[in-house]
Amino acid sequence: NAGVTQTPKFQVLKTGQSMTLQCAQDMNHNSMYWYRQDPGMGLRLIYYSASEGTTDKGEVPNGYNVSRLNKREFSLRLESAAPSQTSVYFCASRTGIVSYEQYFGPGTRLTVT
Amino acid sequence: GQQLNQSPQSMFIQEGEDVSMNCTSSSIFNTWLWYKQDPGEGPVLLIALYKAGELTSNGRLTAQFGITRKDSFLNISASIPSDVGIYFCAGRKGRDNYGQNFVFGPGTRLSVLP
Repeated sequence: NAGVTQTPKFQVLKTGQSMTLQCAQDMNHNSMYWYRQDPGMGLRLIYYSASEGTTDKGEVPNGYNVSRLNKREFSLRLESAAPSQTSVYFCASRTGIVSYEQYFGPGTRLTVT
Repeated sequence: GQQLNQSPQSMFIQEGEDVSMNCTSSSIFNTWLWYKQDPGEGPVLLIALYKAGELTSNGRLTAQFGITRKDSFLNISASIPSDVGIYFCAGRKGRDNYGQNFVFGPGTRLSVLP
């Protein structure tokens, strides 16, 4: 039982390049989330998926797209990376029932030059 | 966007000391969560609080949901080296069926000196 896994762990992109961050959970959770973490700021929600087949924007969705491939996987895509997207990205999942506890992955540290 | 303030921003304490930190907002929240993040890892939930005045413990950790619903407090007793990390508060506001309305504070960085 690995919980929430994310790949890659680290990534360096040039401005304008694209990439997809992968996230998978093996806890049979319904809801999944993508956050970014910047120095001196709290986690900010980019997109979330309440259940398989649905996705919705969070607080800071501009420049990102997501895909809820199946119940296990939720990917985040940067179509044209910008330096402002340099951040640490966390994926999280939640059962969707009663508890508000979200389980976080280890994060992807992305640098855009 | 909604802001949560955490105090202090960072703290250095001696092993064995007690620690107090807080989280404040100008808005009312319905739920408060406290997370800990170790270096290179994702946040891990420590304590969840669901009603004003609630006091909940998890081992050496105790958290309280402020009476005004605009703040929350976390105390750590008899600190040990593995308490090192960043402590985040998160508040839930309004209608939130899917956990999408949590606001996270900027964190309190705790360092424990042997």
